[in-house]
Amino acid sequence: EPEVTQTPSHQVTQMGQEVILRCVPISNHLYFYWYRQILGQKVEFLVSFYNNEISEKSEIFDDQFSVERPDGSNFTLKIRSTKLEDSAMYFCASTRTSGSDEQFFGPGTRLTVL
Amino acid sequence: AQRVTQPEKLLSVFKGAPVELKCNYSYSGSPELFWYVQYSRQRLQLLLRHISRESIKGFTADLNKGETSFHLKKPFAQEEDSAMYYCALSGPQGAQKLVFGQGTRLTINP
Repeated sequence: EPEVTQTPSHQVTQMGQEVILRCVPISNHLYFYWYRQILGQKVEFLVSFYNNEISEKSEIFDDQFSVERPDGSNFTLKIRSTKLEDSAMYFCASTRTSGSDEQFFGPGTRLTVL
Repeated sequence: AQRVTQPEKLLSVFKGAPVELKCNYSYSGSPELFWYVQYSRQRLQLLLRHISRESIKGFTADLNKGETSFHLKKPFAQEEDSAMYYCALSGPQGAQKLVFGQGTRLTINP
C-alpha cells in the first residue's frame, strides 16, 4: 500500500541554521500539507500546497518558512533560520482529490534546535 | 474561530468496558469532522469521518450539530484500542486544512 515518506526521521541543528525537511507524497495525490506538533501540544496546520502554489498558510508560516515541489515527487519544507521554538515534530500529509477525502500522513521528522 | 476541544488528555478503561472519547468543536458553518488515531510507533491515520456514517474497528461517532459534538464511542473496549486519538475538523469544501484537538490518550487495561 502506498505511503507518505519523510526524511530524515530526526534532524538536530543549531539555532540560526537552515534546515530542509523532505517528504514524498503518495504518487497520484494532488494536495500536500505540512503540520507540526510541539511536544505536549496539538497538531497545528502550517501550509497547504496545490498546483505548484500555496493554497493556504497559517500565522505560524512566516517568512522564515518556505515550501517547494522541486520535481514530480518531493515536497519540501525549508526553515531559513531556525529558532529554539521551531523544535517540534513535522508531519507531511497528502490527499488525492478536492473532495472530502482522507489526508494520509507521513511518519514525521523530529526537529531539534539547539 | 475554528476550534476543536478534547477535554480529556488521558482516559483509562478496562477491557470489555464501554469507551467514549469526547470532542466538541467550534466552527461557523458546516464542517467535516474526523477521528484520527495514532497507535504506538505508527503514523497518524484516519479512523472515521462523519460523512461516512460507518463503524470502524467497532467505533462509531455521531455528529450532533446542536451540541457541536462528535464523540467517539465503542461498546466494548479491546486492548489493541490503546492509542492516541485526535478529533479534527475541516471546512466543507474538501482538501482543506485539518484543525486538531489536543488528543486523548486511551489506555485499555487488561
